[in-house]
Amino acid sequence: DQQVKQNSPSLSVQEGRISILNCDYTNSMFDYFLWYKKYPAEGPTFLISISSIKDKNEDGRFTVFLNKSAKHLSLHIVPSQPGDSAVYFCAASEGGTSYGKLTFGQGTILTVHP
Amino acid sequence: NAGVMQNPRHLVRRRGQEARLRCSPMKGHSHVYWYRQLPEEGLKFMVYLQKENIIDESGMPKERFSAEFPKEGPSILRIQQVVRGDSAAYFCASSPMTGILAGELHEQYFGPGTRLTVT
Repeated sequence: DQQVKQNSPSLSVQEGRISILNCDYTNSMFDYFLWYKKYPAEGPTFLISISSIKDKNEDGRFTVFLNKSAKHLSLHIVPSQPGDSAVYFCAASEGGTSYGKLTFGQGTILTVHP
Repeated sequence: NAGVMQNPRHLVRRRGQEARLRCSPMKGHSHVYWYRQLPEEGLKFMVYLQKENIIDESGMPKERFSAEFPKEGPSILRIQQVVRGDSAAYFCASSPMTGILAGELHEQYFGPGTRLTVT
């Protein structure tokens, strides 16, 4: 039962353009959502998060949008840079005593071309 | 401040052997989480521990897998009698606390992972 889904295995974008990564979830108990970035042979690195009481959170070039009614979130990267090329994981937490348990999507490989 | 340390980085075991994976959390962090990433999949939660306590082991297979986080020393993920299906990357993460602080979820900091290969 895949509670967090990233339906696009890969995305290719030109440098300077916008990258939009999408994530859908099925569990209405999820309270917090996070995006992680991962390079080969390294652990995931936290990028940005959003609480379920918000619909947008922005940090520099990264913005996360949350649509609770559609159970959908997206990560926008503007402008995209070659160094952004990595695997991006969407993750969710139920909150309460389960804050420590993150449920991850399958990941989307982003390639930014110079 | 050193990050989360995991060793070994690569581990090769024959079927039936035991695998021991170690995780040293960041300094000051008392919460440790273990995740497993199978090929072509996302990370799957296994277990959440605090010092000397297992808080949530809902993602741990019922047999052959165990985890501990003793008062002194690293957290250990132990897999007995390994099988080929155990081949995966195992990631450890740590945090100073869990839950929400000032409206933000406490971030989990991940180690580089241990890649286990069972032959």
